[in-house]
Amino acid sequence: EVELVEFGGNLVKPGGSLRLSCAASGFTFSSYSMHWVRQAPGKGLEWVSSISDNSGSHIYYADSLQGRFTISRDNGKNSLYLQMDSLRADDTAVYFCARGILVFQGGYYFDYWGQGALVTVSS
Amino acid sequence: DIQMTQSPSSLSAFVGGRVTITCRASQSISRYLNWYQQKPGKAPKLLIYSASTLQSGVPSRFSGSGSGTDFTLTISSLQPEDFATYYCQQSYSIPPNTFGQGTKLEIK
Repeated sequence: EVELVEFGGNLVKPGGSLRLSCAASGFTFSSYSMHWVRQAPGKGLEWVSSISDNSGSHIYYADSLQGRFTISRDNGKNSLYLQMDSLRADDTAVYFCARGILVFQGGYYFDYWGQGALVTVSS
Repeated sequence: DIQMTQSPSSLSAFVGGRVTITCRASQSISRYLNWYQQKPGKAPKLLIYSASTLQSGVPSRFSGSGSGTDFTLTISSLQPEDFATYYCQQSYSIPPNTFGQGTKLEIK
């Protein structure tokens, strides 16, 4: 059974850093792209970042992040990471990791999701 | 960037009824359109991918159609567990992997 579990959500001050982890099991982790999607309180879904399968040679970020976040993966540990720096109040959200299925020109859909990790940025 | 617009933003319906949710893309995305269901406090769940293909395990009362810029999600014979928020998402190209703003379906 496919399972994705996020770790690392916490309360952090503006300007601070946080690293989220996503532990995967039940599938060959290296064979799939992985993604982060966030949801601010009471708001809709916002795609954050994607990393391709295997070596993770293709990485994409939402423009709104302005270079503050870094996605990475460790296939040996079946884990996905999101390093978040220079955090702002508007980064407050539940962060979901999701497994992606490539369909076209780098586009993906997300067939399995974790339960989410809450990141709160506040002084 | 491709923008995705859903309508309506919210709607109410009776158990046993039928509803249709629309998603419009700002440019043609062929059939690269997906639908998700999200219940409060839970992760989104994939319902339909590539406009009309039902994800494994999803009840057949859910159906999707459309191509180009206009897409619909139809739920026939609404069940109590179907009351949730629904999102469309384009997979034509990234970045970004754009979602619609969501449609909240409530019990009438």
